[in-house]
Amino acid sequence: AQSVSQHNHHVILSEAASLELGCNYSYGGTVNLFWYVQYPGQHLQLLLKYFSGDPLVKGIKGFEAEFIKSKFSFNLRKPSVQWSDTAEYFCALHRSGGGADGLTFGKGTHLIIQP
Amino acid sequence: DSGVTQTPKHLITATGQRVTLRCSPRSGDLSVYWYQQSLDQGLQFLIQYYNGEERAKGNILERFSAQQFPDLHSELNLSSLELGDSALYFCASSVYTSGRSYNEQFFGPGTRLTVL
Repeated sequence: AQSVSQHNHHVILSEAASLELGCNYSYGGTVNLFWYVQYPGQHLQLLLKYFSGDPLVKGIKGFEAEFIKSKFSFNLRKPSVQWSDTAEYFCALHRSGGGADGLTFGKGTHLIIQP
Repeated sequence: DSGVTQTPKHLITATGQRVTLRCSPRSGDLSVYWYQQSLDQGLQFLIQYYNGEERAKGNILERFSAQQFPDLHSELNLSSLELGDSALYFCASSVYTSGRSYNEQFFGPGTRLTVL
């Protein structure tokens, strides 16, 4: 069975600091990878996704992620965070070719940005 | 606003009871997914329906069941409730069509279930 692990459960940064949230997955086949964000009191929103091609993907709000197949990783980055980035971040996996299937999520990282 | 609606927003009930959570997908989406988010288990996929038929099952307990109606709304039924069933239940929808690898899922605001 597939799994997703996120290394940091809580991260506290100051505004303008750089961000990197770790995500590793376990699955023997081809995967589609995602980062979702959940702002306080809101629903899950897609930040970015990787299906194939360029392993560096850009998403909304200045976020990007790099897929490193050899490391089974899909880390999320942002060069300069803002207070409004305070949220819960989830890395997720979908088994490629498994059209009928749900997403497998990591446990999430709670990011707090201090002004 | 994702276009996916869920009712009720909050539900408080007692152990042993049965509840029904409702989800209306985005207009045009044929597929509905249910997820459970709890403190210890995180976000887990429960079940997927496509155009009224069950398509995939995740970590769904036998006490739980779901269905999708002809108007495409879906209901998740939770019975013989236990304290550990307290969680946030999310519904998501997509334009999933058979054979496509993946279609983006759009999430609703969730129903918070508290079992006392």
